[in-house]
Amino acid sequence: GAVVSQHPSWVICKSGTSVKIECRSLDFQATTMFWYRQFPKQSLMLMATSNEGSKATYEQGVEKDKFLINHASLTLSTLTVTSAHPEDSSFYICSARTPFRDYGYTFGSGTRLTVV
Amino acid sequence: TQLLEQSPQFLSIQEGENLTVYCNSSSVFSSLQWYRQEPGEGPVLLVTVVTGGEVKKLKRLTFQFGDARKDSSLHITAAQPGDTGLYLCAGARSSARQLTFGSGTQLTVLP
Repeated sequence: GAVVSQHPSWVICKSGTSVKIECRSLDFQATTMFWYRQFPKQSLMLMATSNEGSKATYEQGVEKDKFLINHASLTLSTLTVTSAHPEDSSFYICSARTPFRDYGYTFGSGTRLTVV
Repeated sequence: TQLLEQSPQFLSIQEGENLTVYCNSSSVFSSLQWYRQEPGEGPVLLVTVVTGGEVKKLKRLTFQFGDARKDSSLHITAAQPGDTGLYLCAGARSSARQLTFGSGTQLTVLP
């Protein structure tokens, strides 16, 4: 149980275009999901907390208009990188707190975004 | 500044050796998790520790939570190449739902 599916696993896009990344909780409901960004050989940096039915909470320094988050249902959160630039290239990971394991969080498999 | 500092940052050892990874903070956490991440994948939860002084074992892995709930350690006995990966500690505070991740330890076990 407690599976989080993230799609796509990798994407290449041109500068100036937008890319949408989906994060789904498959066997549980997640009122809150978290979006992270990870650079090679580095740890995860929290970008924003996605709240079902309300606005996302962004971490300091994260541009709200650039990284649009929508959490329209209890099983789906999306992150849209708008007007992508090469510096947005990174590994993006979502997670949700699982109800099946004490205090633990389940992570998606991540999305490798490359902006050319 | 990383709230949770892990050490060492990189570790390369031979198969069969033992190792310890440390996770330190000046803040108190209500719980602390350890994750292992392989390239191109999301982190996978290994263990959660909640009580100060708690020790948990998962096969060859031993996890300890400090008495003051500010630090933790991960000890691997007789490391195997399959243990290779990025190990991340992450703390949760009771007032917040999100995790704070440590700086990570990249472990390479050579056959």
